[in-house]
Amino acid sequence: GAGVSQSPSNKVTEKGKDVELRCDPISGHTALYWYRQRLGQGLEFLIYFQGNSAPDKSGLPSDRFSAERTGESVSTLTIQRTQQEDSAVYLCASSLGAGDYGYTFGSGTRLTVV
Amino acid sequence: GENVEQHPSTLSVQEGDSAVIKCTYSDSASNYFPWYKQELGKRPQLIIDIRSNVGEKKDQRIAVTLNKTAKHFSLHITETQPEDSAVYFCAASNANDYKLSFGAGTTVTVRA
Repeated sequence: GAGVSQSPSNKVTEKGKDVELRCDPISGHTALYWYRQRLGQGLEFLIYFQGNSAPDKSGLPSDRFSAERTGESVSTLTIQRTQQEDSAVYLCASSLGAGDYGYTFGSGTRLTVV
Repeated sequence: GENVEQHPSTLSVQEGDSAVIKCTYSDSASNYFPWYKQELGKRPQLIIDIRSNVGEKKDQRIAVTLNKTAKHFSLHITETQPEDSAVYFCAASNANDYKLSFGAGTTVTVRA
């Protein structure tokens, strides 16, 4: 598509429920990243996918977080047993390649855990 | 891994004046330095970037300078306008580290 598409744009969930966030990158972008941005804070790296290589999961804060990507297409970020501290905007970005290419960000999913 | 520090955290300037944001990085292998602008409630957008083979790059009212020896880079905005009000993030990466490391952001407010 023309840009990085994320859904849903907003999600309110009860503590303890699982949520699934979706990212559809720009066609042809081999690299895909998930970041978390808490209110008024910077961008916290979560996970990175590059083509068919093993993902870099080093930023995932706990084993409640997982992500998948099929080839160079859609990615889903799953948060199990959500906690209030998971409340944040989850941003997905894609780029032409790894390392020295600028990101194009999606509009994010605002997650609120109540 | 890479550590990027950004200063100041907030910056208030009079319309028409210049704004300067400075970042330092720790990994001497870093060779790509983009800047992102995030308006309130919106996604970060790339506004300018520089690679380590150049020392300065300019695009209309914005410019970025890079000092590889000192491991710092700066964003300069001239003739600021109210629409420049936003949070600005610097970042750094290299081909071995593949992911961008971001600074904590600078909130710029342009006073009319």
